Order: sequence, then structure tokens, then C-alpha cells
Amino acid sequence: GDSVTQMEGPVTLSEEAFLTINCTYTATGYPSLFWYVQYPGEGLQLLLKATKADDKGSNKGFEATYRKETTSFHLEKGSVQVSDSAVYFCALSDDAGGTSYGKLTFGQGTILTVHP
Amino acid sequence: DGGITQSPKYLFRKEGQNVTLSCEQNLNHDAMYWYRQDPGQGLRLIYYSQIVNDFQKGDIAEGYSVSREKKESFPLTVTSAQKNPTAFYLCASTPWQVGGANVLTFGAGSRLTVL
Repeated sequence: GDSVTQMEGPVTLSEEAFLTINCTYTATGYPSLFWYVQYPGEGLQLLLKATKADDKGSNKGFEATYRKETTSFHLEKGSVQVSDSAVYFCALSDDAGGTSYGKLTFGQGTILTVHP
Repeated sequence: DGGITQSPKYLFRKEGQNVTLSCEQNLNHDAMYWYRQDPGQGLRLIYYSQIVNDFQKGDIAEGYSVSREKKESFPLTVTSAQKNPTAFYLCASTPWQVGGANVLTFGAGSRLTVL
């Protein structure tokens, strides 16, 4: 079945540091890939997405490139801020055949803490 | 504003009691989902529904039940058969298109604690 593996956390950085959160996936088809963010006590919000190989998703300074050859979708940001402190989830939707009904498979989440 | 409303935000339950978590959306989305979140385990799918009066079990449906009598509503009942119900529960929805990159919109969640 489909699966998503994220790098172990938590991750602690100083403000303006470079961020990478690794994400690899296993899927039988050609999935769409997502990064969601969860701020304390809240639900999840879409951060960015990519729907096919070599697509780059970007939003709020975050980027991730869909790498089919390495089955990866690593999240990066050049300069993190304290306000980026949150839990980040990598996810996939393998719905090309129309049988998954939009279900997402999530990684375990990575807690990011940014200090001033 | 369109969105998903989950209630209650916090709920305490005694062992042996059933509880129902509400999820209402005004986005006119067809598909709705319930996920359970536990620390360090990501989100796991409990049930999902792509149309009124139809729903399917997800990966961890045992001890839970749902209904979908209206397009905008998808309540989740946590029954006494659920052995470890303390968790954060998230409801989500999407318009859902075959083969599309279906972006899920999430509610703010309900935190259930069994005393």
C-alpha cells in the first residue's frame, strides 16, 4: 500500500537558519504530493502541493520539488522565522484510478521549533 | 466565510460511554473524512464518504461509526468498543475529482479525553 516517511523530529533551529524536512513516499500509481502545516491547537492547512514529476510547489517561502526518480518531496525554506514553528506533514493522494476518493496518506509529522 | 466547523472543541468521556463529534461544512464539498491524530503517528483515516448515504471504512474504523444523511454533515460516534479513544480528531472535506489533486480542507479538530 501507499506510505509516506518523514525525517525524525523534532527539529530546532535559530531564526534565519535554512530548513530541510525530508519526505519519501511509496505509491503504486502517480500520486499528488502535499505538505500540510499544523499550528498549535489547530487543524491542518495546505502549505503547498505538486501533481506531477519535476513540479515545484511553493508558498510563503517554502518550496518542495516532486522527484519521481528518488520518490521524494523534501520541504525547504531558506530563512525560517519564529512564526514557522509548527508541525509539518507530508502527504500523498494516489487517486489516478478514481478509487481513492481523495484520501490522503500522511507521514508521521515533524515538529519544528524556531528560536529567536 | 466557508469552512468546516467541528464541535465540541474539547470533550471528556467516562469509560463505557458513547460520544458523538460533530462536523459541518458549508463548502458544498462532496467528500468528507475523519482522521485521528496521535502524537508521533501522523493522521490515520477512520471513515470517509464521497456521497450522501454512503461511506467506507478507513484504516482504523473499529470502535467508530458514522452517518452521512446530509451533504454538509458527517458526524462521528466514538463507541465504548474503541479501546483507546483519547486522541485529537480531525474532520476534512474536498470537492473530489477523479484523477485530480484533491486538496483537503480541515476543521480545527476535537480533542477527546477518556477519564
